[in-house]
Amino acid sequence: QVQLVQSGAEVKKPGSSVTVSCKASGGTFSSYALTWVRQAPGQGLEWMGGIIPIFGIPNYAQKFQGRVTITADESTSTTYMELSSLRSEDTAVYYCATGYHEQDLDYWGQGTLVTVSS
Amino acid sequence: QLVLTQSPSASASLGASVRLTCTLSSGHSNYAVAWHQQQPGKGPRYLMKLNTDGSHTKGDGIPDRFSGSSSGAERYLTISSLQSEDEADYYCQTWGTGMVFGGGTKLTVL
Repeated sequence: QVQLVQSGAEVKKPGSSVTVSCKASGGTFSSYALTWVRQAPGQGLEWMGGIIPIFGIPNYAQKFQGRVTITADESTSTTYMELSSLRSEDTAVYYCATGYHEQDLDYWGQGTLVTVSS
Repeated sequence: QLVLTQSPSASASLGASVRLTCTLSSGHSNYAVAWHQQQPGKGPRYLMKLNTDGSHTKGDGIPDRFSGSSSGAERYLTISSLQSEDEADYYCQTWGTGMVFGGGTKLTVL
């Protein structure tokens, strides 16, 4: 069974960047699709983008184009999500998830709270 | 534009059954949908993928009480023998040019 373990909570200043990591175990990392989803306080789920490590080409939601970078390190089975130019509206729990195809979210990480505050 | 519409809330009694609905926008009635459960204070959990023909593939350890069905542009999640731990937010999700989520349904177990 696939398990995803994310890095810990972060507090960031407006205008800065944050990187959240997500380490996978129990599956074939390279051939899975890794997806990032966020959830603002009291709100629903929002897709940010994803990557299939074996192809290495990320796919980003239009809303985050230019501000998000998703990468994958096959040697450590870890995916990273960097969000730049942070603003208060980026305060949210960020989740990684994975599945066999880029539309699949079969397994979820535990979530990482990112708080943007001056 | 691909949009998923869910009722914001639903309620049902302990031990009863409830059917949650996710409606695909016009022109997208042939899309598969996945359902995810989010219990209070927890992260989402994959429940199942629901195909146009009503067939579904469940996630690991999902009890038989959870089932799915389809009719036209509607995708249903039915939970039978409701338990207190079923009180949660339920999201449907699909894929077009990118991933799309419904707004979620908050299920209250009375």
